[in-house]
Amino acid sequence: GENVEQHPSTLSVQEGDNSIINCAYSNSASDYFIWYKQESGKGPQFIIDIRSNVGEKKDQRIAVTLNKTAKHFSLHITETQPEDSAVYFCAASSSGGGADGLTFGKGTHLIIQP
Amino acid sequence: GAVVSQHPSWVICKSGTSVKIECRSLDFQATTMFWYRQFPKQSLMLMATSNEGSKATYEQGVEKDKFLINHASLTLSTLTVTSAHPEDSSFYICSANPIAGPPGQTQYFGPGTRLLVL
Repeated sequence: GENVEQHPSTLSVQEGDNSIINCAYSNSASDYFIWYKQESGKGPQFIIDIRSNVGEKKDQRIAVTLNKTAKHFSLHITETQPEDSAVYFCAASSSGGGADGLTFGKGTHLIIQP
Repeated sequence: GAVVSQHPSWVICKSGTSVKIECRSLDFQATTMFWYRQFPKQSLMLMATSNEGSKATYEQGVEKDKFLINHASLTLSTLTVTSAHPEDSSFYICSANPIAGPPGQTQYFGPGTRLLVL
């Protein structure tokens, strides 16, 4: 099976600073990695994903990097804004995210200080 | 596009009763839907994989006789919590995998159903 370790559990940054959240996975067969944002009482909201044949992907202020050798992927948020405050979850899949469910990390509570 | 709905959004029931939660893909078809459970301040844990027209596959430790899953069509999966007890109180979230979706994202999540068993 897959195990995903996520760090840190809580991250407090000043508004305008950059944030990095890290995840390590155990299954070398995992080939699809996703980041979700969850606000209180709501379902997960897709942020960005990356497949195992790519090392980095960007979407405006959001980027994901993948190091297959180290079995590690990270979420980068630049110029954090108050609306970025939420719990962020990483997830991994060994079936391209299709046939099998996702294995989630334990989450990171991102706090944006004004 | 690619919207998943859940109904109800929240439910309160007495211990011993059964509760049905619906998960619908509104603008796409999905042969596979997933059910997750999330306890307060914890992560999402996969409960089962639901395939249209066949029996669901349950994760280790999830009682299939307690959590009944029916995936009768390409747009609807239901989760029934039978004889619910207070320890079943949780946030239940479904996701759906489109048969033919846009490149990229492969699972679309619903908004979740909050279950409180008294």
